[in-house]
Amino acid sequence: NAGVTQTPKFQVLKTGQSMTLQCAQDMNHNSMYWYRQDPGMGLRLIYYSASEGTTDKGEVPNGYNVSRLNKREFSLRLESAAPSQTSVYFCASNRDPYSNQPQHFGDGTRLSIL
Amino acid sequence: LAKTTQPISMDSYEGQEVNITCSHNNIATNDYITWYQQFPSQGPRFIIQGYKTKVTNEVASLFIPADRKSSTLSLPRVSLSDTAVYYCLVGDPNAGNNRKLIWGLGTSLAVNP
Repeated sequence: NAGVTQTPKFQVLKTGQSMTLQCAQDMNHNSMYWYRQDPGMGLRLIYYSASEGTTDKGEVPNGYNVSRLNKREFSLRLESAAPSQTSVYFCASNRDPYSNQPQHFGDGTRLSIL
Repeated sequence: LAKTTQPISMDSYEGQEVNITCSHNNIATNDYITWYQQFPSQGPRFIIQGYKTKVTNEVASLFIPADRKSSTLSLPRVSLSDTAVYYCLVGDPNAGNNRKLIWGLGTSLAVNP
């Protein structure tokens, strides 16, 4: 019962470095999501993928890129990390975004950018 | 946008019933109301979901009045392990066919011995 798996769990980067956060789900879900969670801000949607082969911007997409590698995997890339991107990043999945199916979350990647 | 409003924090004691109310004045006709729980250093976890009236599962109950402009999550006989942040969500009525949930700050529940 792995559910949603995120790697790495922790990472420290220097400003300007690049990094890819990995996410994989084993529930045969069509849709996957990337969020960031900051103190006092709640979860904010960065990008989502309604189905394999499609991606769409969320509320805060600037500075990020995503790749839906296959049905299982959805990666988030920071091309040139900035201190403002220090955050906890969560990946989630659900059956599809057109219904009210609950999202299943991973345990997050804690990213610090110095 | 379907914004939700919840109390920032609540305190309770072990064995008590806890009720957390959420306001969502702009809820769309087809939207469901969903509650999540989040422990420190973990991702949010689904608790319960409903459309109207009352829904109950092994963890909680959800009460939704006829106008659906608010909902109340009820946790019976809480224990220390129920200390967490609780989020109330509804779908974004302006999102069309793509569901974009709006997450607020949630309610931080502290259960004391």
